[in-house]
Amino acid sequence: GAGVSQSPRYKVAKRGQDVALRCDPISGHVSLFWYQQALGQGPEFLTYFQNEAQLDKSGLPSDRFFAERPEGSVSTLKIQRTQQEDSAVYLCASSRIVGLAGTTDTQYFGPGTRLTVL
Amino acid sequence: DAKTTQPPSMDCAEGRAANLPCNHSTISGNEYVYWYRQIHSQGPQYIIHGLKNNETNEMASLIITEDRKSSTLILPHATLRDTAVYYCIVRDLYNQGGKLIFGQGTELSVKP
Repeated sequence: GAGVSQSPRYKVAKRGQDVALRCDPISGHVSLFWYQQALGQGPEFLTYFQNEAQLDKSGLPSDRFFAERPEGSVSTLKIQRTQQEDSAVYLCASSRIVGLAGTTDTQYFGPGTRLTVL
Repeated sequence: DAKTTQPPSMDCAEGRAANLPCNHSTISGNEYVYWYRQIHSQGPQYIIHGLKNNETNEMASLIITEDRKSSTLILPHATLRDTAVYYCIVRDLYNQGGKLIFGQGTELSVKP
């Protein structure tokens, strides 16, 4: 299908390792969002891109978290020196555009990457 | 923080209507009400949204009170596949870049 895809689906890391999580948005979607979902909780916003520009990174929990979208399509969320509290599902979502006029554009989510830090 | 309040869980009999309430008493004029659901081990799925009028699509109906302080999502004939966590979200498209702020949601269990 042509939905949002994420890889890997599952990742186990030892504490202190660096990890990279990939998101392939729906083709042509301008906006891309990353969310973090802890067990039993609702997703929490991490960061937002419009094309290659990172317009909001207010939700990134620390400077160990870094996201990029260099060509305005695929995005990577990198976590350096992982800690146990980073264990969560990382969700990516894309939408056609978020216009300044406040267009009510739907966000389509991928299946997420479950990160477990031992 | 989420601007919505939902019951943590609800049960519904298969084939009956599921009515999921949501309170959003501090909603402002340019904020929309969105509903998403999340089936176990999947990403959230868009259901419906509205500003002030009632809305209906192939999945559900959304009833928003006249003062816009609360709303109800209606699944007219619930099936076992509707078992999921349902999130009611108030979304400010102008000031937050369109990001979604999720609360705890309502865990709906549809029982045979």
